[in-house]
Amino acid sequence: DTAVSQTPKYLVTQMGNDKSIKCEQNLGHDTMYWYKQDSKKFLKIMFSYNNKELIINETVPNRFSPKSPDKAHLNLHINSLELGDSAVYFCASSQVRNGEAFFGQGTRLTVV
Amino acid sequence: GQQVMQIPQYQHVQEGEDFTTYCNSSTTLSNIQWYKQRPGGHPVFLIQLVKSGEVKKQKRLTFQFGEAKKNSSLHITATQTTDVGTYFCAGRTGNQFYFGTGTSLTVIP
Repeated sequence: DTAVSQTPKYLVTQMGNDKSIKCEQNLGHDTMYWYKQDSKKFLKIMFSYNNKELIINETVPNRFSPKSPDKAHLNLHINSLELGDSAVYFCASSQVRNGEAFFGQGTRLTVV
Repeated sequence: GQQVMQIPQYQHVQEGEDFTTYCNSSTTLSNIQWYKQRPGGHPVFLIQLVKSGEVKKQKRLTFQFGEAKKNSSLHITATQTTDVGTYFCAGRTGNQFYFGTGTSLTVIP
């Protein structure tokens, strides 16, 4: 059983489109995160949710919005995609805030 | 803003040689975590250090947290091809973790 699962694994889309990436964790963790990893492998936290509350919101464009329907899910919606949004997006979860993080397999987003 | 830098950015070693990556923060950290990311994979948690001067070992891996809690290191003894990947530190300040820039390790058989 995959602990943290993301879909899709690959996403190719045109500029200007709106897309979503889904994330689910079956670990019973209280906190979930979204990270962006660029082509240089820099990992940057975008959002984290704890008990359905947004607790960290880095300075990301407001085209990006996290949505958490319940504790086990944290989806990422991206509006008006731009070329610079191309990256690998990782979902992660942890038992407690800032504890050991379990990462999903990643979603490689390519904007053309 | 908060920065966590790692050096070197890349390291190539012959199998059997030792390897060290260093992590430096511009501010004092509450704790530090280390992750390994295999090529094409996702980051996997290795360890967390909390105390000033703390040293922890996992088989051939030795992790240190500096006395001032601003730096950390990961040392691998006698590297193996399975050690290939990018090693990230992640330092906590307040309620946030900042990932380091990563060190990409290549092990030549």
